[in-house]
Amino acid sequence: DAGVIQSPRHEVTEMGQEVTLRCKPISGHNSLFWYRQTMMRGLELLIYFNNNVPIDDSGMPEDRFSAKMPNASFSTLKIQPSEPRDSAVYFCASSSWTVLSSYNEQFFGPGTRLTVL
Amino acid sequence: SQQGEEDPQALSIQEGENATMNCSYKTSINNLQWYRQNSGRGLVHLILIRSNEREKHSGRLRVTLDTSKKSSSLLITASRAADTASYFCATSLTYKYIFGTGTRLKVLA
Repeated sequence: DAGVIQSPRHEVTEMGQEVTLRCKPISGHNSLFWYRQTMMRGLELLIYFNNNVPIDDSGMPEDRFSAKMPNASFSTLKIQPSEPRDSAVYFCASSSWTVLSSYNEQFFGPGTRLTVL
Repeated sequence: SQQGEEDPQALSIQEGENATMNCSYKTSINNLQWYRQNSGRGLVHLILIRSNEREKHSGRLRVTLDTSKKSSSLLITASRAADTASYFCATSLTYKYIFGTGTRLKVLA
């Protein structure tokens, strides 16, 4: 398996532009997480999907952020409009999680480094 | 904040020495995991310890967990230059993982 795949790896955009980050989780995993990592705030959970359904989006900072998971093999995180304070590394992670087997590791993608000028 | 905290924030040691990192957390947990992050890369899972376990070993890694003190430690024995990375603890009660602030480990050759 190729692991969790994210694209693009680097994104530089100007303030006000729309940004779309993409993620392909590991095949067979039913849980998908989007995280944001910054020096100031560390690693923050933005949104969690289980079986393609958004379960917890309490970490999404503002209405400018939205995430979708149209099927089990693809998810997007969109920022519209982008702002300089959105500059960070965005990670996608997947795992197999159920209530009965909750001891599961997360597999992280390589991340997308976003710079908003 | 429910975020865990690692201690120390940064650690520099010589190759061959042992490295110990500590993690404190605030809420009840089901399990605690340690992850490594090399510069510019994603996090990689190292080891998981369940809340009813006190100690676990994996190769050169030894993890302890004290739920009464809400703390865990990660010991890397006989460190190598390749162990240079940031190390994070992550606590979980359900699906949600709360990551700590990380310890930056530098192993000098």
